[in-house]
Order: sequence, then C-alpha cells, then structure tokens
Amino acid sequence: RKEVEQDPGPFNVPEGATVAFNCTYSNSASQSFFWYRQDCRKEPKLLMSVYSSGNEDGRFTAQLNRASQYISLLIRDSKLSDSATYLCVVRERGRRALTFGSGTRLQVQP
Amino acid sequence: ETGVTQTPRHLVMGMTNKKSLKCEQHLGHNAMYWYKQSAKKPLELMFVYSLEERVENNSVPSRFSPECPNSSHLFLHLHTLQPEDSALYLCASSQDSSPDTQYFGPGTRLTVL
Repeated sequence: RKEVEQDPGPFNVPEGATVAFNCTYSNSASQSFFWYRQDCRKEPKLLMSVYSSGNEDGRFTAQLNRASQYISLLIRDSKLSDSATYLCVVRERGRRALTFGSGTRLQVQP
Repeated sequence: ETGVTQTPRHLVMGMTNKKSLKCEQHLGHNAMYWYKQSAKKPLELMFVYSLEERVENNSVPSRFSPECPNSSHLFLHLHTLQPEDSALYLCASSQDSSPDTQYFGPGTRLTVL
C-alpha cells in the first residue's frame, strides 16, 4: 500500500471552475502536511502547508482530517497558470524526510 | 532562483561509467537531501545529511554513494548504474531544526543507456 495516495487524474477543467483534490496517508505518525506544485520537468515547489484547523491562501484552501488521515486541496476560480501536478506530502514525526504522493495532474482549459 | 543549484542539469551515461552529481546551497542551511523521481513513481528520499553526517537513508543500492564535505555541498557518486536508474535526481536543503521547509534544486535528469 502506498504511504500517500492520490488520484492521478488528469482533471480537465475550464477556466473559472472550482476543483478539489483529495489525498490519504497511511502513517499515523505523520506530523506535518503539505501541498506542493510541480510543473512539467521542473522541481516541486511548496504551495501551502496544511493545518488541522484548515487554512486558506487566496484561491487555495487546504483541509486536514487527522482522524480519517485525509487531506484536501480546493482551488477556486481556476486559472490557466494553475495547470500543473499537485503533490500531497507528509512528514513523519522524528524524521526529516518528506513522503510524496504520486501527484494529481490538473489541466485548466480556456 | 539560485538558492539551490545542481550540476549537471542533464546527464547521459553508460552502465560502466562513473559520474558525480553536485548540489550546492546558498541559503545557510545545515541539512541536505537527495530525492529520486522516476517516471510514474512518487518522489522518494534517498539520503539525508545533517551537519555533514548521514542521518537518514532509504534502501538505496550501493552503486549510489553520497558525500557531504561541508554544509553547503552535497554529491551523489554514481557507478555501474542500470537503465532503471534513469530518473530526475533532486537535491534539497533546509535548516536541520525546520525540515518542514525544504528548498529544492532544479534537478539533474539522468539517462542510463
């Protein structure tokens, strides 16, 4: 079983749409949670950390449910520039390494 | 952005070659990481160095040999690689006290023929 599971997509949505990605993690010792964005053939870049109370950064909203070991990302008013692969990432307590999901690909169409 | 640089950016090598990947960070960090991203697989940790000591590693074949001579530089020495080792090799750095904030380099895209 993968430690971090994501639907690979692709999600094809029109500009202006709202799209949601989900992720589950298997390690109950996970302490820190993130969404990263990776453009084609580039390095991953931190989009936002995810906190238990939920958090928002502009058009992006992240939620964490520790009981269900579930993380979500909501993107409102999608832009063409949002097209990328979105990686769900966790870090286990006591470790420095990040554990990545395989990513969900988003394609925003005009 | 030039916080974490990697050289070369692209590398093609035969199975009998020996090569090295280099990573340099200009952020004053004291922890450095090697990750591997193969096609159709998630990014996965290879090694973690903190204060120039290896502190974490996954089950990585011995044909990959890391070296961290100081807190700004990290190398990955490659020898007798297999075609399935073709991947994007990413370096990252952080403060050892803040592993949640890792900065990634652009990666070296390696092809083993």
